[in-house]
Amino acid sequence: EPEVTQTPSHQVTQMGQEVILRCVPISNHLYFYWYRQILGQKVEFLVSFYNNEISEKSEIFDDQFSVERPDGSNFTLKIRSTKLEDSAMYFCASSAETGGVLHGYTFGSGTRLTVV
Amino acid sequence: KQEVTQIPAALSVPEGENLVLNCSFTDSAIYNLQWFRQDPGKGLTSLLLIQSSQREQTSGRLNASLDKSSGRSTLYIAASQPGDSATYLCAVGGGSQGNLIFGKGTKLSVKP
Repeated sequence: EPEVTQTPSHQVTQMGQEVILRCVPISNHLYFYWYRQILGQKVEFLVSFYNNEISEKSEIFDDQFSVERPDGSNFTLKIRSTKLEDSAMYFCASSAETGGVLHGYTFGSGTRLTVV
Repeated sequence: KQEVTQIPAALSVPEGENLVLNCSFTDSAIYNLQWFRQDPGKGLTSLLLIQSSQREQTSGRLNASLDKSSGRSTLYIAASQPGDSATYLCAVGGGSQGNLIFGKGTKLSVKP
């Protein structure tokens, strides 16, 4: 069964450093997403991406965050200057559409980001 | 602002029991609703997707229902097994782009 692949599985970074989280969505999916889950809290929406541009973003997704699809397969989330409160599990997801109806999401297994 | 609540927060049952997990949402103008399973430290596995025009979906021992007007969904698990132990998340899709609002989940433990 097709998978969404995320790398790395775990990243430790110092406060103030830039990090790039990588995702390879399912190849025929057109909608891409980033979510995060702080330990013990709800999964929260960050950003959605369609047709090579951001389609929606949450209040969390401020100027320190950016997304990119640098080639036909990768989808990245960059955090420019990490803060302690950015420590969380970051999930990438993708979804297909048929006749205007979205299919269910496929999530990756996540990148656990620890900011020290 | 859409809020999604799941009750109970945790549930422990003996193997073989049928059980119901509940999800409620405050804004009935939803696009779809999905149930996910999350194992500790792992990603989310999609279980069932219900479009806003549908009332229920079934997959194996799982059945999910949706009542938009009352803002509720239930996930029914038949003949529970220890392997069903996980956290079950309900998520509401609020727009055509599919962005999901999650509940906090119900942590299920099925004892042999």
